[in-house]
Amino acid sequence: DAKTTQPTSMDCAEGRAANLPCNHSTISGNEYVYWYRQIHSQGPQYIIHGLKNNETNEMASLIITEDRKSSTLILPHATLRDTAVYYCIVKETGNQFYFGTGTSLTVIP
Amino acid sequence: DAGITQSPRHKVTETGTPVTLRCHQTENHRYMYWYRQDPGHGLRLIHYSYGVKDTDKGEVSDGYSVSRSKTEDFLLTLESATSSQTSVYFCAISESLRRQGEYTFGSGTRLTVV
Repeated sequence: DAKTTQPTSMDCAEGRAANLPCNHSTISGNEYVYWYRQIHSQGPQYIIHGLKNNETNEMASLIITEDRKSSTLILPHATLRDTAVYYCIVKETGNQFYFGTGTSLTVIP
Repeated sequence: DAGITQSPRHKVTETGTPVTLRCHQTENHRYMYWYRQDPGHGLRLIHYSYGVKDTDKGEVSDGYSVSRSKTEDFLLTLESATSSQTSVYFCAISESLRRQGEYTFGSGTRLTVV
């Protein structure tokens, strides 16, 4: 059973913020939210993860709602190189990842 | 990615032949994983390892076996390749239980079984 729901595809204008939503309404208290992306023909790349608090790193920001039932990955200034499939995954430490089919983000010049 | 290499990058083999894919890491990471990726299915876990000689099955392990005799190498073997095993295979590594979710993936092996 899928633990997360993501839109199949999204577009974003170059230079604008890309906001990728993810629903995980059945998330348990011990499960983290992870985001990965996969640029065409390459292996997936880790972006960011969080448990309760919002997180930011050099690649992106992760906003998790207070009830933890959804989250948003924010790429603050999208570039053409951000065109990729983005995976939102919930996982408890020690358990394995189950990747879904993700959101295909296209950054438009 | 630096620190993890997969070989071969591409392989074409005949149905019924054995095939071994190799994943090699130079990061000394404890955990190693094999995934396959097919259109419409995303990535699916085949087998994983949590240390030398410690391996376990993932969600699509039938028809595959693995071995890890050294920290740096994780081998995936298709005992008798079938056309349904045509796929792109990715290896991944992760450092520790605390950072277990931060995977580094290899560049993939594209396997075609004819």
